[in-house]
Amino acid sequence: AQSVTQLDSQVPVFEEAPVELRCNYSSSVSVYLFWYVQYPNQGLQLLLKYLSGSTLVKGINGFEAEFNKSQTSFHLRKPSVHISDTAEYFCAVSDSIYGGSQGNLIFGKGTKLSVKP
Amino acid sequence: SAVISQKPSRDICQRGTSLTIQCQVDSQVTMMFWYRQQPGQSLTLIATANQGSEATYESGFVIDKFPISRPNLTFSTLTVSNMSPEDSSIYLCSVEPGLGFTEAFFGQGTRLTVV
Repeated sequence: AQSVTQLDSQVPVFEEAPVELRCNYSSSVSVYLFWYVQYPNQGLQLLLKYLSGSTLVKGINGFEAEFNKSQTSFHLRKPSVHISDTAEYFCAVSDSIYGGSQGNLIFGKGTKLSVKP
Repeated sequence: SAVISQKPSRDICQRGTSLTIQCQVDSQVTMMFWYRQQPGQSLTLIATANQGSEATYESGFVIDKFPISRPNLTFSTLTVSNMSPEDSSIYLCSVEPGLGFTEAFFGQGTRLTVV
């Protein structure tokens, strides 16, 4: 069975500081990995995804994530955060390349990023 | 892509009552999904709703508690029946926008508090 662990429930950082949100997964089969962001009072929005190819994936709003198969990790990073990045971030895994669009997603518990001025 | 409108955005309900949540999509979609996000927990899939057939429920969720309607390709409802405080959660609607898409699109969620 697949599972996702987001190691930090809350991450406070100052504006313009770098940030890393950690995500580890467990799976016995090929995985496809996603990061979603949920801004206050809004739905989840795809930030980036890893399906195949380069292990460094770039997403929207300057975020990137690196797929590390040996460490079963998919950490999300941004070199300099803004106040507007304050949101909750969810890591998710699927064993199907279309899993993200077919309800076959396993989500982590989320990490609340709080960016302070 | 798909634009999803979910109503209500939040509600406070008395225990023992029922609440119906609506999900409207701006385009026709084959598959719609309902998720639950309990406080401090991850999103959990409740059921998959395909137009013209009964919804398929995940383990731990039953039709009597969470009846779902899917009358057409742009609309679905989820009812939370006979509510208890344990049903206090965020409920999210999600859609498969079409063939070839590899990510889901979500509504803004319904924040339900049962008192």
